Amino acid sequence: EVQLLESGGGLVQPGGSLRVSCAASGFTFSSFVMTWVRQAPGKGLEWVSTISGSGGNTYYADSVKGRFTISRDNSKNILYLQMNSLRAEDTAVYYCAKDRCSSITCYDFDYWGQGTLVAVSS
Amino acid sequence: ETVLTQSPATLSLSPGERATLSCRASQSVASQLAWYQQKPGQAPRLLIFDASNRATGIPARFSGSGSGTDSTLTITSLEPEDTAVYYCQQRSHWPLTFGGGTKVEIK
Repeated sequence: EVQLLESGGGLVQPGGSLRVSCAASGFTFSSFVMTWVRQAPGKGLEWVSTISGSGGNTYYADSVKGRFTISRDNSKNILYLQMNSLRAEDTAVYYCAKDRCSSITCYDFDYWGQGTLVAVSS
Repeated sequence: ETVLTQSPATLSLSPGERATLSCRASQSVASQLAWYQQKPGQAPRLLIFDASNRATGIPARFSGSGSGTDSTLTITSLEPEDTAVYYCQQRSHWPLTFGGGTKVEIK
């Protein structure tokens, strides 16, 4: 059974840093592109960042480029999102999501974690 | 950026009725469009990929159609558990984008 479990969320001051993690199980982690999607309170879904299976290719939304870094540890089956220079508008539930395809990349998501809340406030 | 506009914002229907949800793209996304269902307090769930293909375990009352700039999610014979927000997502152009969502309420 595929499982994605996020952790590391919390309250952080503006300008601060936080790293959220996503522990994956039930599939060959290194074979799949992984993505972070966020949802501000009461709002819709926003794509944040995507990383290839090997970790060699990364993609970012303009809203987080230069501040957030996506990475993965395929030996531990963990996906990370390092968030620096946090702003109030980064407040959201952060979901990790697994790509639907393995041999090719689909960039849509068949499994999602339950999310971790990041709140940026003084 | 490819903007996805979903309509209506809210749909209020009775059990057994048919729901038709629209997703319009600011440029062609071919058939590279997915639909997700999100119930309150839950993560999104993939319903439809590539515009018209049901994901694993999704009931047959959910169907998708369309290509190019106009796509539709149809829920035939609504059930109470279909109460949720439905989002479309395109994978044709970077950045990946989601629509603003349609809230489906069951009377």
